Amino acid sequence: AAGVIQSPRHLIKEKRETATLKCYPIPRHDTVYWYQQGPGQDPQFLISFYEKMQSDKGSIPDRFSAQQFSDYHSELNMSSLELGDSALYFCASSLGPGVSNQPQHFGDGTRLSIL
Amino acid sequence: AQKITQTQPGMFVQEKEAVTLDCTYDTSDPSYGLFWYKQPSSGEMIFLIYQGSYDQQNATEGRYSLNFQKARKSANLVISASQLGDSAMYFCAMSQITGTASKLTFGTGTRLQVTL
Repeated sequence: AAGVIQSPRHLIKEKRETATLKCYPIPRHDTVYWYQQGPGQDPQFLISFYEKMQSDKGSIPDRFSAQQFSDYHSELNMSSLELGDSALYFCASSLGPGVSNQPQHFGDGTRLSIL
Repeated sequence: AQKITQTQPGMFVQEKEAVTLDCTYDTSDPSYGLFWYKQPSSGEMIFLIYQGSYDQQNATEGRYSLNFQKARKSANLVISASQLGDSAMYFCAMSQITGTASKLTFGTGTRLQVTL
């Protein structure tokens, strides 16, 4: 079965650079979520989209922005990168608006390292 | 605000034995979902099992079962017949409907090590 595709898998950047992470949800999934997982931490919710509209915002820095496109893929744009942004970034997708029992299926994550 | 508590930072279990990973939660929402995810050392997050707040029966998926005790606000994961490949970090999570989507709040995880 098709899964959530994230690219790139690994990304190395320097401080103050920008980065773009991409996410392709499972076909027919209309909701996309972004999570950030720091080393040894649990994933923290950043932002979500339903039908190309932002649904909710969590602890996402103002330096980050995201959008969902007409084909439902999503991109997380990160600017002025800081050392503390080094983390594993997950995209997840699910089916249905605001249905709490729909499991979120996660991609393999993008491991971002800031030098 | 929702909160998930996993009090076992690490657990050991022998191969072929059963193990229970604890999870308690706190929420004022009457409708919520509880999930368990497995994260191997390679990093991916794998969905294991789901329990809805209104479900009368405990969820089961193969070797995984969820011991849901609503009055005690607990949702423990039971893994039967443990295998070496079960060694991983396990996260309990709760969904909360916000706007038009449901975000997940995770516990701090339990690292399970299966031994021979």
